[in-house]
Amino acid sequence: QVQLVESGGGLVKPGGSLRLSCAASGFTFSDSYMSWIRQAPGKGLEWVSYISPSGTTIYYADSVKGRFIVSRDNAKNSLFLQMNSLRVEDTAVYYCARDPNGAQGWFDPWGQGTLVTVSS
Amino acid sequence: SYVLSQPPSVSVSPGQTATITCSGDKLGGRYAWWYQQRSGLSPALVIYHDSKRPSGIPERFSGSNSGNTATLTISGTQAMDEADYYCQAWDSNTAVFGGGTKLTVL
Repeated sequence: QVQLVESGGGLVKPGGSLRLSCAASGFTFSDSYMSWIRQAPGKGLEWVSYISPSGTTIYYADSVKGRFIVSRDNAKNSLFLQMNSLRVEDTAVYYCARDPNGAQGWFDPWGQGTLVTVSS
Repeated sequence: SYVLSQPPSVSVSPGQTATITCSGDKLGGRYAWWYQQRSGLSPALVIYHDSKRPSGIPERFSGSNSGNTATLTISGTQAMDEADYYCQAWDSNTAVFGGGTKLTVL
């Protein structure tokens, strides 16, 4: 079945870096638009970034622009999020999700999420 | 930036109809999607393209979108429907989520 599994979360100090991964299976990853979405503890959902199948079209939320970099390895069915200059307010569960519509549609499915904690 | 507004909470008795609204400027002119997030779990799609149900979503879930408001309706609400619900749309290459509505089934 279609499955997304995130990894790479953990505790990092403010100003530090972390790289998240998302392993995809059960669908043609190389044809899929993908996004990262986060959820701070006890808060709502916040979209972070979006990448086209070829990786040539990328969008970021203003809150992470210039600090986060999304990328993908279609040969390894994997999505990545390089997070630099981390701030306390980046603390959240990070989900990867597929856009089955092709572009700027809905998110389905979502992974189980990986927790990133930014704290000194 | 584009904003989607949802009521923070909605309460409903079992078997009754729950209505959750999502308001945004000219929202009816774009697609809206709805997600359910049960406690401790990842969000899951319940409505796409304003009113379509994904496979496996019960018929009691329905959606509409017109003017400035998208609406998620749950008919014959069950205890298992207690969850947070989020609407979502796109604006200027940015995905926007509503703040979420906590549905309590009393």
